[in-house]
Amino acid sequence: DAGITQSPRHKVTETGTPVTLRCHQTENHRYMYWYRQDPGHGLRLIHYSYGVKDTDKGEVSDGYSVSRSKTEDFLLTLESATSSQTSVYFCAISEGRSDGYTFGSGTRLTVV
Amino acid sequence: DQQVKQNSPSLSVQEGRISILNCDYTNSMFDYFLWYKKYPAEGPTFLISISSIKDKNEDGRFTVFLNKSAKHLSLHIVPSQPGDSAVYFCAASGQGNLIFGKGTKLSVKP
Repeated sequence: DAGITQSPRHKVTETGTPVTLRCHQTENHRYMYWYRQDPGHGLRLIHYSYGVKDTDKGEVSDGYSVSRSKTEDFLLTLESATSSQTSVYFCAISEGRSDGYTFGSGTRLTVV
Repeated sequence: DQQVKQNSPSLSVQEGRISILNCDYTNSMFDYFLWYKKYPAEGPTFLISISSIKDKNEDGRFTVFLNKSAKHLSLHIVPSQPGDSAVYFCAASGQGNLIFGKGTKLSVKP
């Protein structure tokens, strides 16, 4: 979907290094989310944002932090990457909290 | 504790037949349910939704049924096509964030 883009699409990083994933939207939606998808676990919410500088934890937030300094950008940071954080990360946006989400194309992160 | 459960990790169906994907939930406060479809290397895309005030919603070949008393919903695809092969996620919300099931991988054989 052209209204939401994730970067990078693929990344390989070493254990212990910091990593930042970016989500950018052009829809001016209030809500933004970060999910990870893993085999056998489906989509699990890491963090979400309900406005500029307003964020909250999701189901699997340990080891992750987020920031939202502008409506259009939502950053996910792994302060010190671990192998358990190897996953596919999806960003999503929505107008209202319970509205349907629009997902980005994902970032495949490998921690070696 | 899983609030949204998709108990079948996979389903295989012959082209032209009906595909039925099931989803159970435990939270009686959920009032909005959605199905998403996901192809490999792509993000999930919205397929169809249903509000708790309805028991059926139809969109072309896709129909979602909601049984509130059983806390169960199902997605029917008729007729199934090879292009429907994907992972299907059920999701639910009750004025909060969407909660997703683990997904069911549908394979439609030509």
